[in-house]
Amino acid sequence: ELKVEQNPLFLSMQEGKNYTIYCNYSTTSDRLYWYRQDPGKSLESLFVLLSNGAVKQEGRLMASLDTKARLSTLHITAAVHDLSATYFCAVDRNLQGGSEKLVFGKGTKLTVNP
Amino acid sequence: GAGVSQSPSNKVTEKGKDVELRCDPISGHTALYWYRQSLGQGLEFLIYFQGNSAPDKSGLPSDRFSAERTGGSVSTLTIQRTQQEDSAVYLCASSFRSLNTEAFFGQGTRLTVV
Repeated sequence: ELKVEQNPLFLSMQEGKNYTIYCNYSTTSDRLYWYRQDPGKSLESLFVLLSNGAVKQEGRLMASLDTKARLSTLHITAAVHDLSATYFCAVDRNLQGGSEKLVFGKGTKLTVNP
Repeated sequence: GAGVSQSPSNKVTEKGKDVELRCDPISGHTALYWYRQSLGQGLEFLIYFQGNSAPDKSGLPSDRFSAERTGGSVSTLTIQRTQQEDSAVYLCASSFRSLNTEAFFGQGTRLTVV
């Protein structure tokens, strides 16, 4: 069974600092996703990572994927208050004749303080 | 439509009543997911529909929960004899798996059982 672990679950950081959120998964996966959720809102897609070594960047966020280590990272550069949200990683995989459900980590609640 | 649409957005029901939650996925999306999110918690997988394959119902918490997807499009999640612990936000998502794109989420239905 595919399992996804994120850490840390809670992250409080100061504006201007850098930090990394980690996402480990248990078995070979075909796709890895990062989502953002603001309080009281739904999930918004940030990145889709499809292959080993994939790196994607959007603003102050950069996501990478190491399929051999079964690890993805979400790096935050020079954090600003607007990045405060909960970040989820999720993975799924193709199976013969179909595909498996999307499995989420528990989320990392990020708070960026002035 | 432009995105995943869920209705109603809010539902308050009395304990013991049945409720139906509706999800209109993005047109052409073959995969449809239901998740549940309790306040401040992560996403709990409920059920997954993929094309014409048998749905993955492994996340349904009890036999009071059921879901169907008619014509490969609209899905309805039914909760019978609702209990207070069913109170949560129910999120629907859809994706087009063949294109390796992410799942897009609706705004959710906030269910409150009183």
